[in-house]
Amino acid sequence: GQQVMQIPQYQHVQEGEDFTTYCNSSTTLSNIQWYKQRPGGHPVFLIQLVKSGEVKKQKRLTFQFGEAKKNSSLHITATQTTDVGTYFCAHNSGGSNYKLTFGKGTLLTVNP
Amino acid sequence: GAVVSQHPSRVICKSGTSVKIECRSLDFQATTMFWYRQFPKQSLMLMATSNEGSKATYEQGVEKDKFLINHASLTLSTLTVTSAHPEDSSFYICTAWDNNQETQYFGPGTRLLVL
Repeated sequence: GQQVMQIPQYQHVQEGEDFTTYCNSSTTLSNIQWYKQRPGGHPVFLIQLVKSGEVKKQKRLTFQFGEAKKNSSLHITATQTTDVGTYFCAHNSGGSNYKLTFGKGTLLTVNP
Repeated sequence: GAVVSQHPSRVICKSGTSVKIECRSLDFQATTMFWYRQFPKQSLMLMATSNEGSKATYEQGVEKDKFLINHASLTLSTLTVTSAHPEDSSFYICTAWDNNQETQYFGPGTRLLVL
């Protein structure tokens, strides 16, 4: 499947600082999904982006899909300790076979 | 509430034994379920696609004889790790595709530790 590269691998911030994680692909993606996995938990679906240049917001989280549909970002404004976890981007290969290819994830830690 | 369950949530077994993990869709019928594996501090890797009533489709590098998948009903898929070894210790997660909601639901995962 199409590979998605995710950076950074780790990010440590002070509470109140902003945080951004990026996903990139060498090929055009039909969609990009974002997941959050708390320590010891399983991934939880956050959002899916499908349109070129799409921007979606969920409270302090802003998700973007690039114009060329080759990159995406997740931005958290004014992080809180509850934001701690690993954020994964993933691409769905589509069709009747809903296979997900995950990025390596970005582990976010927040210092209170 | 949870729409996909997994059992057991944790299992410890001796090397050489087999372990069966169940994945159930609770509120919908799932013709397709997926099994992922996640090693500590790593991403999720797709192991296989479980198809109701037919053979599972395995990803490259995944041994079908070692990871037996059975999807005998529209609400249950099982993954059996045969002759488990310590390197099989991992977090196994199933997902199920709900056609009506066009949504993929994740199970809570099963942590396997092979001693």
